[in-house]
Amino acid sequence: ETVLTQSPGTLSLSPGERATLSCRVSQSVTTSYLAWYQQKPGQAPRLLIYGASSRATGIPDRFSGTVSGTDFTLTIDRLEPEDFAVYYCQHYGGSSWTFGQGTKMEFK
Amino acid sequence: EMQLVESGGGLVKPGGSLRLSCEGSGFTFDSYSMNWVRQAPGKGLEWVSSISSSGTYISYADSLKGRFAISRDNAKNSLYLQMNSLRVEDTAVYFCAKGAGGKQNDCWGQGTLVTVSS
Repeated sequence: ETVLTQSPGTLSLSPGERATLSCRVSQSVTTSYLAWYQQKPGQAPRLLIYGASSRATGIPDRFSGTVSGTDFTLTIDRLEPEDFAVYYCQHYGGSSWTFGQGTKMEFK
Repeated sequence: EMQLVESGGGLVKPGGSLRLSCEGSGFTFDSYSMNWVRQAPGKGLEWVSSISSSGTYISYADSLKGRFAISRDNAKNSLYLQMNSLRVEDTAVYFCAKGAGGKQNDCWGQGTLVTVSS
C-alpha cells in the first residue's frame, strides 16, 4: 500500500510570501498519477495540479508542481488571501486512490 | 460548465442502509469514470470507490469490507452508492468526483452528509 506523507502539517505564512508544501510517497510511483487539491472550509476539493506538474484549467501560474524521486512539491508564489486553505496530494495506483493527510495553510 | 450534485444523505442508525445519488451535467457522463470520496468531520479525504465509464470495472477501499456498492446509470447521468451495515465511523460528507485521463478528479460535487448515530 502506498502511503503519502505531507509536511508540514500546518504552514503559517503571510500574503505575498511563497509557500512550499511537500508530499513524500512511500514507494516509487508513476508521476503521471499524482495530483494536488485545495479545499476551503465547507467546500469541495478543487483540482490544482495533475500529472505532478500540470496546472488544471483556470488555475493561476502562481501554483506549480515539481517532483524529485518520491518527493512531490507544490509551490505557491505570491500568496493571495484566498490561498489560505488545506491542501491534499493524491495518488492513483493498483486500482485505488490514496490521499495525504493534508497541509493547512494559515495566516501568520 | 461541469456540475455534480449529490443527494440521499441523512441520519441513519448503526446497521442501517442508505443510498446516495450523484447527477452529472455539462459533460459527457458516459465517457468518464466516477469516484466516491468521503471526509469525516474535521478529518482528511478518504477514497471510497470507483467505477469505470461503462460500469465494467469497479474498485473499493479495503476498509469497506464489502458493505458498499457503487453503480451508475449512464442513461440518467447518475452515479450511486449503496451503503449497508452502516457504522458510526462511516459518518462523513460523501463527495462524488469525476475522473479524468490522468486519474485525477477534475470536478467534485458539493457533498452530502451521512450521519450514523443511534
